[in-house]
Amino acid sequence: DIEMSQSPATLSVSPGERATLSCRASQIVASNLAWYQQRPGQAPRLLIFDASSRPTGIPARFSGSGSGTEFTLTISNLQYEDFAVYYCHQYHFWPLTFGGGTKLEI
Amino acid sequence: EVQLVESGGGLVQPGGSLRLSCAASGFTFSSYWIHWVRQVPGKGLVWVSRISSDGSTSIYADSVKGRFTISRDNAKNTLYLQMNSLRVEDTAIYYCARAGGLFVDIWGQGTMVTVSS
Repeated sequence: DIEMSQSPATLSVSPGERATLSCRASQIVASNLAWYQQRPGQAPRLLIFDASSRPTGIPARFSGSGSGTEFTLTISNLQYEDFAVYYCHQYHFWPLTFGGGTKLEI
Repeated sequence: EVQLVESGGGLVQPGGSLRLSCAASGFTFSSYWIHWVRQVPGKGLVWVSRISSDGSTSIYADSVKGRFTISRDNAKNTLYLQMNSLRVEDTAIYYCARAGGLFVDIWGQGTMVTVSS
């Protein structure tokens, strides 16, 4: 199975700052990488697909980059509602796998 | 509004069975692959199973293969997960999730399954 490693496990930032979250795949997954946000008690929400594409309705302060095995989610001008757990997810290989998550905290 | 609503979770003893349902609305259910993904509260996401749009093909994680069966009724816009021979380690929140392409784009709110004696 493809292992997805996220770092850091916890990231402490302040509102208005920028956060950079990393995700590494154990094998090349091309650009078949998505990012999800999960707030406490809620289901995950899709933020980024195909490594860098944003679905309709996702603010432009969320951006994704990378391909192959190294990926980054950047959140600019952090808002209070952005403090949550973020997961990366590869859909290049079966079984689908997710990273362990990065908790973004104030 | 595109929506997935799971039901059927609860407390079951080890070795028991449970059937989860997922009711879809707001989109053409029969056009989409659908997944089940589970999450131990406070832990990460783990993919469980996927079924094709017409229900003809399905695939499972090794941890549930032979015990879980995914199915769908496109006339009722409903997805199912039949879970047999349940184990303590199957305890989790179970989400149904739509595959927008190869990736999951819409998630349900989840239903909690607890396997305990």
